Amino acid sequence: GAVVSQHPSRVICKSGTSVKIECRSLDFQATTMFWYRQFPKQSLMLMATSNEGSKATYEQGVEKDKFLINHASLTLSTLTVTSAHPEDSSFYICSARGLVVGNTEAFFGQGTRLTVV
Amino acid sequence: AQSVTQLGSHVSVSEGALVLLRCNYSSSVPPYLFWYVQYPNQGLQLLLKYTSAATLVKGINGFEAEFKKSETSFHLTKPSAHMSDAAEYFCAVRPMDSSYKLIFGSGTRLLVRP
Repeated sequence: GAVVSQHPSRVICKSGTSVKIECRSLDFQATTMFWYRQFPKQSLMLMATSNEGSKATYEQGVEKDKFLINHASLTLSTLTVTSAHPEDSSFYICSARGLVVGNTEAFFGQGTRLTVV
Repeated sequence: AQSVTQLGSHVSVSEGALVLLRCNYSSSVPPYLFWYVQYPNQGLQLLLKYTSAATLVKGINGFEAEFKKSETSFHLTKPSAHMSDAAEYFCAVRPMDSSYKLIFGSGTRLLVRP
């Protein structure tokens, strides 16, 4: 149980286009989802926290108009990178926390590698 | 602000040798602490977590970590390294608020030599 799935696992897009990444909790209801960004050989940096049905809370320095987060249901959150540029190339990882018996922590998706060319 | 420091970006051990990955935290109040493992191009898998119960925490795959308040440390150990342990390891802290967000250390890459 407690599986979080991200799609796609890899995506290549042209500079200037937008890319949507999905994060789904497959067997539990995710009341809170977190989006992290990881540059090559670096640690994970929290981008934003989203609670179902409300606007996401962005960390300092993260452009909310650049990285659109939607958490419209208890099993799905999406991150849209708008007008992507090569510097947006990174590994994006989501995690989800919700109503899982015996566990209060967040579970991580497998990540999405975005390459902007 | 709370932070986590992992000493050593790379640690290399021989197969069968002791694994020791270091993690120190800064917090006025003992937070929740975690160790995660990441294999290439994959997400994070929770190894173990400290939540103010027992100071010696046992995790999966034979790993364990000891919380030492006096040293503000939470080092990860494994008595005998396997080749399959080669991966990136992250220490993380969760502030004692209601956000449930994690603050990660810079990571340590564990290399296991045959």
